Amino acid sequence: AQKVTQAQTEISVVEKEDVTLDCVYETRDTTYYLFWYKQPPSGELVFLIRRNSFDEQNEISGRYSWNFQKSTSSFNFTITASQVVDSAVYFCALYGSSGSARQLTFGSGTQLTVLP
Amino acid sequence: DTEVTQTPKHLVMGMTNKKSLKCEQHMGHRAMYWYKQKAKKPPELMFVYSYEKLSINESVPSRFSPECPNSSLLNLHLHALQPEDSALYLCASSQASGLAGQGIYNEQFFGPGTRLTVL
Repeated sequence: AQKVTQAQTEISVVEKEDVTLDCVYETRDTTYYLFWYKQPPSGELVFLIRRNSFDEQNEISGRYSWNFQKSTSSFNFTITASQVVDSAVYFCALYGSSGSARQLTFGSGTQLTVLP
Repeated sequence: DTEVTQTPKHLVMGMTNKKSLKCEQHMGHRAMYWYKQKAKKPPELMFVYSYEKLSINESVPSRFSPECPNSSLLNLHLHALQPEDSALYLCASSQASGLAGQGIYNEQFFGPGTRLTVL
């Protein structure tokens, strides 16, 4: 069975602070994909990034960056210089691609509130 | 057009009613999904359609009946629901690829959801 743990239920920061959202996963698959999605109050999930298990390069996209470390089974997400519009629930997700365990598993989510 | 639309936005129904949720996309995606999301919980995958054929049913009760009439439309027919079925129902689409064209590991585009209340 696979599992995604987002231990931070809620985080509150003041605008312009940096914030890191943690994601730890468990899977027996050797090939898998990790995702981050954002869900603003409007409700629709917005795709942020996908990483496959063979690509451990960190990625930066504007104020967003991701740190993938297979050694610790973590895929953490950092927002630099946070803004009020970053307030949302952020989900980390795992897709395991082995034949018998093709599941998409979401973590429980982290509610980020950025205060002005 | 990178939009997934869902209708209605809100739906209130009794346990004996029959209703349908609709989802539409015009991105040429051949994989479409239904998710259920309870308040303060993550989305749970219900169904996956790949090339208009049902490819994954995550043990969903038969009171939920999906339908994919063409490559742009996805419906979810509801009948004899229970109050615990009240939730946000999200539709998504993606490129179809990988095993059986399910495309689950591709970027998924989500609609705004239908908030369903069962009385």
